[in-house]
Amino acid sequence: DAMVIQNPRYQVTQFGKPVTLSCSQTLNHNVMYWYQQKSSQAPKLLFHYYDKDFNNEADTPDNFQSRRPNTSFCFLDIRSPGLGDAAMYLCATSRAKGEQFFGPGTRLTVL
Amino acid sequence: GNSVTQMEGPVTLSEEAFLTINCTYTATGYPSLFWYVQYPGEGLQLLLKATKADDKGSNKGFEATYRKETTSFHLEKGSVQVSDSAVYFCALPEGGSSNTGKLIFGQGTTLQVKP
Repeated sequence: DAMVIQNPRYQVTQFGKPVTLSCSQTLNHNVMYWYQQKSSQAPKLLFHYYDKDFNNEADTPDNFQSRRPNTSFCFLDIRSPGLGDAAMYLCATSRAKGEQFFGPGTRLTVL
Repeated sequence: GNSVTQMEGPVTLSEEAFLTINCTYTATGYPSLFWYVQYPGEGLQLLLKATKADDKGSNKGFEATYRKETTSFHLEKGSVQVSDSAVYFCALPEGGSSNTGKLIFGQGTTLQVKP
């Protein structure tokens, strides 16, 4: 089945230690999104790629970076995680203006 | 830009009770409207959608009707089950000049169904 895959499902890192989260898709969608979600709040969009074009949300901290080496993969890099960055990170994809398909998420713990 | 307001939770119901979660929106034109569901520890799943005014989206016993007169897209289910316990998000596209499916989410409503 076509899907959005996130690895790992659970990630533990230390304060200030860089971490990378991975997302891959078999849907061949041209848009990929990264969200941060805390508790049961609405997901907060960090950035998205439209093909190779990177679009950063105005309030996304510089500590968060992203890479999209090809259509299928997208990475979220947190350069120096703080305690406040502990959250669920969700990856999603869509065709241009189509509906979004979400991965299962990566739960990040910062010690 | 577009916006959405969703009923605050948590909502606690007994099994087989009737469910309504209110969602109202403001938008330019008539964008598609969505309900997403998030089960504990998982990502969001599209529950249902409606793409134009007066459309009814339905899935797994849930329904929502796109009502342009009241700018609403309320989620309903006639008889909830314990397995429906989750967080429900109403959403619509950002609108404007956006060329992607970037979404505006409601704040989420937590539903707890007790046996």
